[in-house]
Amino acid sequence: QLVLTQSPSASASLGASVKLTCTLSSGHSSYAIAWHQQQPEKGPRYLMKLNSDGSHSKGDGIPDRFSGSSSGAERYLTISSLQSEDEADYYCQTWGTGIHKVFGGGTKLTVL
Amino acid sequence: EVQLVESGGGLVQPGRSLRLSCAASGFTFDDYAMHWVRQAPGKGLEWVSGISWNSGSIDYADSVKGRFTISRDNAKNSLYLQMNSLRVEDTAFYYCVKETLGDKAFDYWGQGTLVTVSS
Repeated sequence: QLVLTQSPSASASLGASVKLTCTLSSGHSSYAIAWHQQQPEKGPRYLMKLNSDGSHSKGDGIPDRFSGSSSGAERYLTISSLQSEDEADYYCQTWGTGIHKVFGGGTKLTVL
Repeated sequence: EVQLVESGGGLVQPGRSLRLSCAASGFTFDDYAMHWVRQAPGKGLEWVSGISWNSGSIDYADSVKGRFTISRDNAKNSLYLQMNSLRVEDTAFYYCVKETLGDKAFDYWGQGTLVTVSS
């Protein structure tokens, strides 16, 4: 079964970097994912699509501070030079061969 | 500029029906698969349903299968979600979401419409 696992919370200081992790279930380590950001009281926003080889393509207007990388079944979102507006929930999303989509549980990022 | 504008949310009693609409603009609507995603208050994102560009492929989350029906009208650049036999646990913001071409990721989200199921 295709499942994405995320840590419920993370924190980092203003101006620092943080690396969020999304883990694919066993047997699905070659799958691509997408990262989405949801700021408080707002709808989600697409950040990037991330492939198993670490290559990624970002959405419109996404700053260079946001980058992605991969290792095995792990998919990472790194945010550098953290700003207050980066405090948000971050969700990973993946898909199989059909229409069906899967979301991770989300990580709440606190900027200290 | 891609825009997805949902409408049709509101307060409804358990067991009743509601129809959500999504008006799309800024892209060639009939080239893309479209989806509905929901978020219960204080909870994470849950994929609800998706439909291919020509309505030839449709799927639903187990939680709504048999109660919800997704459809689209490419001539009107619109996506719909007919929700029947609504339950309290269907209370959520419902987002209209566009899928990328070929990649299958979601690349644009609407602002959402709130559905509250309560007696």
